[in-house]
Amino acid sequence: SQQGEEDPQALSIQEGENATMNCSYKTSINNLQWYRQNSGRGLVHLILIRSNEREKHSGRLRVTLDTSKKSSSLLITASRAADTASYFCATDFTGNQFYFGTGTSLTVIP
Amino acid sequence: DAGITQSPRYKITETGRQVTLMCHQTWSHSYMFWYRQDLGHGLRLIYYSAAADITDKGEVPDGYVVSRSKTENFPLTLESATRSQTSVYFCASSAWTGRSGTLNSPLHFGNGTRLTVT
Repeated sequence: SQQGEEDPQALSIQEGENATMNCSYKTSINNLQWYRQNSGRGLVHLILIRSNEREKHSGRLRVTLDTSKKSSSLLITASRAADTASYFCATDFTGNQFYFGTGTSLTVIP
Repeated sequence: DAGITQSPRYKITETGRQVTLMCHQTWSHSYMFWYRQDLGHGLRLIYYSAAADITDKGEVPDGYVVSRSKTENFPLTLESATRSQTSVYFCASSAWTGRSGTLNSPLHFGNGTRLTVT
């Protein structure tokens, strides 16, 4: 499989703390995306980073991409209980297909 | 309402039966995808479509059939359901930007269909 792999599988933090999750992938990619999934719902797009970009920000989210290490990280700053969800990275290496990892389950304790 | 809708939300069927999962999007996105989500496997791509009448296999296409006669609809059919096809199925769509030859747009997901094969 060409999917990414998220790490850790599960993460539990206190409200206000930062959460960092990582994604590693196997082949050269065109872009990488991060998604959030709340329980029982579909995935929601968070941020897209292209292969020629190294860092992107969106509100409390910061994504980095290291193509030499084939890895990406998602940082959520000042976490809130509402951030409790599963987070997935999706990689595109074919030009028109996205392959997902197994996800990181984040629990933010109020 | 604009968006992507899947139906039914829940489905229970018996082994060997044919079942069709429906997906409809109102954005006129060119690309549509079907994924299945299972514990321990994340989301796996079953089939995708670049446009009406153009479909292609993903990672796990065996046992599934798709069609795309209209841009807005992308039904997924299990011709003879098996217990291993018990899963949550997600449909997604994406706009083609095309400038760089890659799909640089987000995927928009439906809320899924939970299928149980008994």
